[in-house]
Amino acid sequence: GDSVTQMEGPVTLSEEAFLTINCTYTATGYPSLFWYVQYPGEGLQLLLKATKADDKGSNKGFEATYRKETTSFHLEKGSVQVSDSAVYFCALYSSASKIIFGSGTRLSIRP
Amino acid sequence: DSGVTQTPKHLITATGQRVTLRCSPRSGDLSVYWYQQSLDQGLQFLIQYYNGEERAKGNILERFSAQQFPDLHSELNLSSLELGDSALYFCASSVGGDWSGYTFGSGTRLTVV
Repeated sequence: GDSVTQMEGPVTLSEEAFLTINCTYTATGYPSLFWYVQYPGEGLQLLLKATKADDKGSNKGFEATYRKETTSFHLEKGSVQVSDSAVYFCALYSSASKIIFGSGTRLSIRP
Repeated sequence: DSGVTQTPKHLITATGQRVTLRCSPRSGDLSVYWYQQSLDQGLQFLIQYYNGEERAKGNILERFSAQQFPDLHSELNLSSLELGDSALYFCASSVGGDWSGYTFGSGTRLTVV
């Protein structure tokens, strides 16, 4: 069945460092891909999305490119801030399975 | 504020009891989804309703049930509660197409003692 695998955390970086959180997927067809972010004590918020191959989703300085050839959707940010500390979830939607989520990656940013 | 309202925010109850979680979707959204988030299972899809009708079922236990009312709010009923049911329960809504992504509420934290 469809699945999402993302790098295990926690990930700890210093402020202004470059961030990459890896995400790969297994799915039939061409699923839409998402990154969601969960701040402490809150629900999940849609961060960005891409609906077809080679699309780049971007928001708040975060980017992810839909790579069909490598079945990947890695999240990147050039310079992280303390306020980016949160749990990040990679997710996919396919007509067969609705939206399914990866296990989440906890990100902590040191001042 | 995401526009999806969940009540209550916290709930503490004893094993064997029954509870009802409530969700009001964002204005204009017809679909409601319920997810369970626990430390060991991650985010698990439970069930989806669209405009009052059940649309999809995920890993929902027989002890759990849900419905969506004509005003589009939804309730998740959990009965014969066990310690392992302690988790965060999230409701999400969308206009209809899952491909566009969901808007999540802030969740109900259920603790079974």
